[in-house]
Amino acid sequence: GENVEQHPSTLSVQEGDSAVIKCTYSDSASNYFPWYKQELGKRPQLIIDIRSNVGEKKDQRIAVTLNKTAKHFSLHITETQPEDSAVYFCAASSSGTASKLTFGTGTRLQVTL
Amino acid sequence: GAGVSQSPSNKVTEKGKDVELRCDPISGHTALYWYRQSLGQGLEFLIYFQGNSAPDKSGLPSDRFSAERTGGSVSTLTIQRTQQEDSAVYLCASSLLLGEAEQYFGPGTRLTVT
Repeated sequence: GENVEQHPSTLSVQEGDSAVIKCTYSDSASNYFPWYKQELGKRPQLIIDIRSNVGEKKDQRIAVTLNKTAKHFSLHITETQPEDSAVYFCAASSSGTASKLTFGTGTRLQVTL
Repeated sequence: GAGVSQSPSNKVTEKGKDVELRCDPISGHTALYWYRQSLGQGLEFLIYFQGNSAPDKSGLPSDRFSAERTGGSVSTLTIQRTQQEDSAVYLCASSLLLGEAEQYFGPGTRLTVT
C-alpha cells in the first residue's frame, strides 16, 4: 500500500519568513495530493491540493509543488503569519476503487514574532 | 449547511467496556471515513464506506473494532473490550466522492480508557 513520509516533524520560523514542508510517497499510481491544516484542538481542514497533471499550484501565500518522477511534493508558505501556526498534514491518494488518503505524520509549524 | 457532526465529543470508559461512537456526515456525501489520532500523532486510517460498496476495513487495528453505516448516512464505530491503548481522538470525515475529493472532518470524539 501507499506510504507517505513527511519532514520536518517540527518547524519554527520567524514571522514574515517562508516555510517549506516536504513529503514523499511510495505508490507511483497516486495522483491526488492534498494538504490539511489542523489548528490546536480543531479539526483538520483542506488548504490546498494538487493533482498529478500539474507541477505547481498557488493560492495566495501558499503553494504546492509536485515532482512525480521523484515522488515528492512540497508545501510552501510565504510571508508567514502567527495564524499559520498549526500542524500540517500531507496526504496521497490514487484514483480507482481502492483509493483512500494516506496521511503523513504531520509537521508542527510555529511562527514566532 | 451543517458540517460533519460526531457524538459524544468526549467519552471516558473503563477498560474492558464497549463503546459506540457516532458520525453524521454531510448530507449527500457518499464517502465516509474513520481515522484515529493519538496525542501528537498523525491521522491513522481505520475504515471507509463508499455508497453501497463493501467497506474497506484494512485499517482496523484489531477485531475489537467494527463499524457500520446505515442507510448510506450515519455511521457508528464500535470498540469492544476497550484497552488503554485505544485512548485517542476518533475523527470522522465525509466527501462527495471517494479518493480525489476534499474530506470534511468532524470535531472528533476524544476517547479515554481508564
